[in-house]
Amino acid sequence: DAGVIQSPRHEVTEMGQEVTLRCKPISGHNSLFWYRQTMMRGLELLIYFNNNVPIDDSGMPEDRFSAKMPNASFSTLKIQPSEPRDSAVYFCASNLGVDQPQHFGDGTRLSIL
Amino acid sequence: AQKITQTQPGMFVQEKEAVTLDCTYDTSDPSYGLFWYKQPSSGEMIFLIYQGSYDQQNATEGRYSLNFQKARKSANLVISASQLGDSAMYFCAMREGRGNEKLTFGTGTRLTIIP
Repeated sequence: DAGVIQSPRHEVTEMGQEVTLRCKPISGHNSLFWYRQTMMRGLELLIYFNNNVPIDDSGMPEDRFSAKMPNASFSTLKIQPSEPRDSAVYFCASNLGVDQPQHFGDGTRLSIL
Repeated sequence: AQKITQTQPGMFVQEKEAVTLDCTYDTSDPSYGLFWYKQPSSGEMIFLIYQGSYDQQNATEGRYSLNFQKARKSANLVISASQLGDSAMYFCAMREGRGNEKLTFGTGTRLTIIP
């Protein structure tokens, strides 16, 4: 079975540019999560969806960040405009439900110059 | 207060020995779950083991077991017969509240297995 698929794997762009990260969850999984990992803040949840509906977006840093899940097989995390402090590894994960393990994608390493 | 505390930033263990990675948690909700993940140097996050707050027995998965001490609010990961491939970062995480899927992660422990 295919795991969680994220694209791109690496992104380097200049500050002020729009960045779009993409995620395809495991087929049949009901929940999708976006995480950010940095040395300073560790691994933190940005937002999660259940059945395509955003449930908790309290971790979204500010209005520059937005996430959508238009259908069960696709989600995007957008940063506009991007800033150097947004540089991090962004993970997408999915699972079958509460107390089920979250399966992570390989992450997108984002560098904002 | 920190929700998840991992007090060991780094550990060095001889190959084939058992190793215990510490994790303490803080919650007042009776419904919660504890997860352990492994992150090798390649960067992916790998699920290892899960323990629910209402589970009567400690969870086990192959060489991994979870030493769950509810009264002490600790959920230590035990790896038996360590292997070189166990060298990685290990994260403890918790979800709290019925129906809540949000995971809060600890700062991690970097485990190095010495041949």
